[in-house]
This record gives sequence, structure tokens and C-alpha cells, in this order.
Amino acid sequence: EAQVTQNPRYLITVTGKKLTVTCSQNMNHEYMSWYRQDPGLGLRQIYYSMNVEVTDKGDVPEGYKVSRKEKRNFPLILESPSPNQTSLYFCASSSKPQMFSGNTIYFGEGSWLTVV
Amino acid sequence: QQPVQSPQAVILREGEDAVINCSSSKALYSVHWYRQKHGEAPVFLMILLKGGEQKGHEKISASFNEKKQQSSLYLTASQLSYSGTYFCGTRVTGANNLFFGTGTRLTVIP
Repeated sequence: EAQVTQNPRYLITVTGKKLTVTCSQNMNHEYMSWYRQDPGLGLRQIYYSMNVEVTDKGDVPEGYKVSRKEKRNFPLILESPSPNQTSLYFCASSSKPQMFSGNTIYFGEGSWLTVV
Repeated sequence: QQPVQSPQAVILREGEDAVINCSSSKALYSVHWYRQKHGEAPVFLMILLKGGEQKGHEKISASFNEKKQQSSLYLTASQLSYSGTYFCGTRVTGANNLFFGTGTRLTVIP
């Protein structure tokens, strides 16, 4: 079954304690991305990756890091989490955008993160 | 580059129709529509590519006006299952990113 898998799904952590949210897809997709969702603000992109070893900042990259060492994995790293990073996080993937076609983005189930 | 959606929220009775609009300040290559139930992942509805096409999916359809840089999602004869938050995602011409609007919360009541 085609899917994007995120872990953990729920996490409560303390300010400053480094954490990593993993994301893995089994569709051989080149494009992967992280979004955060906050009430009234919709989905805002944190980072995205067009392929292995290629990453770029989205709208709200501050306080986050990513890496793309393998095609299937795209972990999100919070080096020193703060309460304003409390949010619902989604990982997403799609096949490489082509100029003349549309590509569906597949979302993971989401990770609820609370930083106290 | 975040698109603007309207309305922010709408309440319908079963069987009524609704239109959700999505507009961008930049030239668009494609528009994606998603529906999200509370606490769940967004679910893909449809993609519209530049060229002014219109698509349909049962009683949910959408149009894309490339000139006006806007798209509209049409829900006809709404059902209780249509409740959720609808997001449009826009891809600007020449870019690879997809930016999402702030969402429209649709509630269908009996």
C-alpha cells in the first residue's frame, strides 16, 4: 500500500530537548516536504526536498533542520524546541513535478507535537 | 505566496450547494484541492492545470481561471460527509513548491 509514515504521532517534550520526527515513503517519490498546521494559518511549508541531498527552505524554516540522505526518508529535526513550535506536523511526498502534468501530494497521518 | 481562500467558514444544510474560492497574486501553473477532517491528514480531491480546465468528482467539481489566477470548488447537493476543512494548494508557474491557503471550514448539518 502506498503510504507516507510519520513517527512519532504524538509527542510532548520540554523546551530545548532535541527531537527528530521521522518520515518515510514507499512510493519512490523524489519530492518530499514538511508542513506545520496551526489554527487559522493553514498548512505552512517548513522545508522541502527535490531529491536526495537536495533540500530547500519553505515559508517557515526557522528552528528546524532536515536531511535527505536516502530517497525514502526525510526526517525533521528540532535542535532546541520551543513552545512556539507546538503544532501539528505533516510530511508529504510526490513524484517529481513535471512541467506539463500535475502531481498529487500524499500526506502522512500527522504528528502532534507539544513543547512545554 | 500563500493563496487566499474565501469564505473562511460556511454552514450548509444537507442538499444545499456551496462554492469555495481560491485566488493567488501570482501566475499559477496548477491548483490542488484537498479536504481534511479534524485531526486527520488532508485527502486529495483533484488537480487543475493551467489551461482553464474544469474537473468533476461526483458532486464536487472545480474550475481554474488562469487569467484571473483563481480557482473555485463547487459542492452540489451537499452531504454530511462533505464536512471538513477544504484547502487549495497552488503551484506558481516556474516553481516546484505547493503553497496552501488557510482553509475553508465547511459544516453540513441535517
